Amino acid sequence: DAGVIQSPRHEVTEMGQEVTLRCKPISGHNSLFWYRQTMMRGLELLIYFNNNVPIDDSGMPEDRFSAKMPNASFSTLKIQPSEPRDSAVYFCASSLAGGLMGGDEQFFGPGTRLTVL
Amino acid sequence: KQEVTQIPAALSVPEGENLVLNCSFTDSAIYNLQWFRQDPGKGLTSLLLIQSSQREQTSGRLNASLDKSSGRSTLYIAASQPGDSATYLCAVPNSGGSNYKLTFGKGTLLTVNP
Repeated sequence: DAGVIQSPRHEVTEMGQEVTLRCKPISGHNSLFWYRQTMMRGLELLIYFNNNVPIDDSGMPEDRFSAKMPNASFSTLKIQPSEPRDSAVYFCASSLAGGLMGGDEQFFGPGTRLTVL
Repeated sequence: KQEVTQIPAALSVPEGENLVLNCSFTDSAIYNLQWFRQDPGKGLTSLLLIQSSQREQTSGRLNASLDKSSGRSTLYIAASQPGDSATYLCAVPNSGGSNYKLTFGKGTLLTVNP
């Protein structure tokens, strides 16, 4: 299995531009997570999907952030417009089952390092 | 609110030494605990997941223990190697209806010197 795949691995953009991060979860996994990692705040859960449905988006910082999961093998996290404070590493993770009573082992992708100038 | 603390924040040891990394959590009503490894500029690699009903879990030179009642877990690394150098994170799911949400510790940065 290729594991969780994320693209791009690095993204440098200017303030105000739209940024789209992509994720392909492990085949057969029903849960998908988007995390953000910064030195100040560590790892934070942004949004959680189960069976392609957003279950918890309480971690999405503000309306500039949106995420979609149109099918079981693809998800996007979009930031529009981007700001310098969005600079961070964004991780996608997937797990086998999940749901509200999840707690399954989560497998992480390599991350996208975003720099907003 | 669950809080996870990892001690020490950084550890430097000579190659071959056995070592213990510590993780403590405030809410003992956890389903499991997961240990991860993160290499610089890379993603997180899952090392071990211990279910709440287990006391320990082993994988190669790694052994993780869990004591729910005291809110503690340890990761034991035997015969450390320079390739073990990385940041080690522990994470626990929230209790109640949102146990898909992991709370992470800030990690222990391990350096194994040749």
